[in-house]
Amino acid sequence: GAVVSQHPSWVICKSGTSVKIECRSLDFQATTMFWYRQFPKQSLMLMATSNEGSKATYEQGVEKDKFLINHASLTLSTLTVTSAHPEDSSFYICSARGVSTTDTQYFGPGTRLTVL
Amino acid sequence: KQEVTQIPAALSVPEGENLVLNCSFTDSAIYNLQWFRQDPGKGLTSLLLIQSSQREQTSGRLNASLDKSSGRSTLYIAASQPGDSATYLCASGAGSYQLTFGKGTKLSVIP
Repeated sequence: GAVVSQHPSWVICKSGTSVKIECRSLDFQATTMFWYRQFPKQSLMLMATSNEGSKATYEQGVEKDKFLINHASLTLSTLTVTSAHPEDSSFYICSARGVSTTDTQYFGPGTRLTVL
Repeated sequence: KQEVTQIPAALSVPEGENLVLNCSFTDSAIYNLQWFRQDPGKGLTSLLLIQSSQREQTSGRLNASLDKSSGRSTLYIAASQPGDSATYLCASGAGSYQLTFGKGTKLSVIP
């Protein structure tokens, strides 16, 4: 149990376009979802925390107008990278935590974004 | 601000050897400490979670310890296998369930 999926698994886009990444909890209700970014050979950096039905809380240095997060249901959160640029190329990973999963966060398989 | 450091950055061992991965954190006021495994280009798999009140957790050939006062955690892998080859990440957990990750230790187990 406690599976988290992400879609797409990889995406290539042109500079200036917007890309939407979906994160779904398949078999539990995720009251909280987290979005991380991982550059090559670097650690995962938390971008934002989202609770269902409320606005996301962004970490310092993360532009909320550029990285739009929506957590409209207990099983789905989306991250939209608006006007993507090559420096946004990274590995984006979501995680989800539900009431029934206590302290454990379950991670999605990640989305590789390449902006040309 | 919490900082998590993992040493070594990379480790190569022959199959069957026991090994220890190290993790240190600067702020001892943690909620929990977790160890994850990440395969190349993949997401994270949770291995062990140690609550702040616990000293260690075991799962199969894995044993993780936590010493909050010294800001250290170790992951012990017994009888290593080639399938253990991956990057191992430790992360400290805050009360808000946010995790602060180290950069990881890339483990290679040579057959």
